Amino acid sequence: ETGVTQTPRHLVMGMTNKKSLKCEQHLGHNAMYWYKQSAKKPLELMFVYNFKEQTENNSVPSRFSPECPNSSHLFLHLHTLQPEDSALYLCASSQEWTARGEQFFGPGTRLTVL
Amino acid sequence: SQKIEQNSEALNIQEGKTATLTCNYTNYSPAYLQWYRQDPGRGPVFLLLIRENEKEKRKERLKVTFDTTLKQSLFHITASQPADSATYLCAPGRYGNKLVFGAGTILRVKS
Repeated sequence: ETGVTQTPRHLVMGMTNKKSLKCEQHLGHNAMYWYKQSAKKPLELMFVYNFKEQTENNSVPSRFSPECPNSSHLFLHLHTLQPEDSALYLCASSQEWTARGEQFFGPGTRLTVL
Repeated sequence: SQKIEQNSEALNIQEGKTATLTCNYTNYSPAYLQWYRQDPGRGPVFLLLIRENEKEKRKERLKVTFDTTLKQSLFHITASQPADSATYLCAPGRYGNKLVFGAGTILRVKS
């Protein structure tokens, strides 16, 4: 596998379920990101991890819980979600987390909350 | 607060013509500006990065300009092809800070 992979690609869950999204990067990058993309809206940065340490949390509700066990893996744990959380969730990585770092995105997980 | 604006209306052009996409920003002084391409249902793909001290950057059929006075970046695709049809995102960012993405402009190239 090369680049950034995400699983699952599609997820349907009820509001009371608990699920996790997984992201893995094979690029040797130091920074990893979670973004949310809703229809016709800009990418919303949710979390940033740099060298496994969380450097950014953009006021994300606590029903989204990130985990970064090492610099290659990133998880997003989901629980008690709302229908408005339905969106495309994108993982990305870059060599450095600042604006001069080109970001490599995964294919995304299409999440539907019923 | 900072604001990134891209054409909300889709841009429809004929194959072979030059497509020009606009990215305007306000309340912001980015040091870098990146452009990405996104196809439906897929993650964005990096295209070009331009720095504040660079007026223009080229890569094959792509050209980006960065005017810090006008607070604007223009993205050009020359000799456009139907395969260039996609959504194009601009993302300015400051030194030591994160990127901020625009909502994107849909480009449709018709043969």
